Amino acid sequence: DAGITQSPRHKVTETGTPVTLRCHQTENHRYMYWYRQDPGHGLRLIHYSYGVKDTDKGEVSDGYSVSRSKTEDFLLTLESATSSQTSVYFCAISSGGRGWVYFGPGTRLTVT
Amino acid sequence: RKEVEQDPGPFNVPEGATVAFNCTYSNSASQSFFWYRQDCRKEPKLLMSVYSSGNEDGRFTAQLNRASQYISLLIRDSKLSDSATYLCVVNPNYGGATNKLIFGTGTLLAVQP
Repeated sequence: DAGITQSPRHKVTETGTPVTLRCHQTENHRYMYWYRQDPGHGLRLIHYSYGVKDTDKGEVSDGYSVSRSKTEDFLLTLESATSSQTSVYFCAISSGGRGWVYFGPGTRLTVT
Repeated sequence: RKEVEQDPGPFNVPEGATVAFNCTYSNSASQSFFWYRQDCRKEPKLLMSVYSSGNEDGRFTAQLNRASQYISLLIRDSKLSDSATYLCVVNPNYGGATNKLIFGTGTLLAVQP
């Protein structure tokens, strides 16, 4: 299995609070991604990174920000959590090109 | 129209059966294609890439039809352990190298004893 960990694995938070999810990889892959998965929508890309300090928006980026200060870490921040951000969040990594995309174990976030 | 569409199922099949899933994609310029498998409450895992010539991995066969813009997955001699959700995945950005994958919503397979 690819060396990807996510923390926390589960979190319950209240509306309006800030939340940061962490993704850590040991594969030294250039590309990192944050996806969310919701019933009926499948996996949707929130943000991605193509290098340290290089990030870009995905399909559903509103309400989220990211940072990548080191190759191995990619942080996803919900500045002010809303109930619509209750979801399962997956981090993923890739070496790019035809390199396959590997997923972390996911974080279940509930916003009450 | 969704970029990647799949029949959500569920497909309920007996052990030993052959089952096929299809998936259609809307972006004719898409370059690479995959099937991922996702077990309940787990992360998606790559099952296989899909090539125009078709490719086979044991009991699994994947096929791409670019003219009709569909991808198929055939599972022969189904096992109980094949029960999972199968995700059709398209990469429209090959060449840009960022691998921003587009996922279908998945097809649920339940293999019955």
